[in-house]
Amino acid sequence: AQTVTQSQPEMSVQEAETVTLSCTYDTSESNYYLFWYKQPPSRQMILVIRQEAYKQQNATENRFSVNFQKAAKSFSLKISDSQLGDTAMYFCAFMRHPWGYQKVTFGTGTKLQVIP
Amino acid sequence: ETGVTQTPRHLVMGMTNKKSLKCEQHLGHNAMYWYKQSAKKPLELMFVYNFKEQTENNSVPSRFSPECPNSSHLFLHLHTLQPEDSALYLCASTQGGRSIEQYFGPGTRLTVT
Repeated sequence: AQTVTQSQPEMSVQEAETVTLSCTYDTSESNYYLFWYKQPPSRQMILVIRQEAYKQQNATENRFSVNFQKAAKSFSLKISDSQLGDTAMYFCAFMRHPWGYQKVTFGTGTKLQVIP
Repeated sequence: ETGVTQTPRHLVMGMTNKKSLKCEQHLGHNAMYWYKQSAKKPLELMFVYNFKEQTENNSVPSRFSPECPNSSHLFLHLHTLQPEDSALYLCASTQGGRSIEQYFGPGTRLTVT
């Protein structure tokens, strides 16, 4: 079974600064996907960024980038130029290579507060 | 907002009540999911329906009864709940196959008194 661990329950960052959220996972699979999902207060959870395990290049989406260390089973999210709208719960998630429907394993989340 | 809606958004029910949660997706997806989100715990997958067929039941107590009449609608029927069932219940959908992104609804905040 897969497990996902987020060791930072809460974090804060000054607006315009950079913050890194940590995530580690455990799996015996060789090919899989990793995700960061964002859940703003009282709003729907949305996908921020995803990484395929067989790709060595770290994924980037605008101000969001990941540091994927496959051997260490580490998948951190870096948010650059933090904005007030980045205030949310962030969930790291794991999915085996898809076939049919997808079963996703989530971490406990990190609550990020962006301070003006 | 995404194309997944959930009603009601908030629900307070007594332990002897019977209620239902509804989820509807307007994305043409083939798979739908129920998750339970409790504070300081990972999202717990409850049920998965793929092309209207239940493909996953994560040892959920029988007081939760899912129903998927078609690929666009998913219900969660509730009866004789316990206070520890109070949580945010999230619905999600995916296209299926190699499409991997899950689209979530806003959730139903359930309080069992």
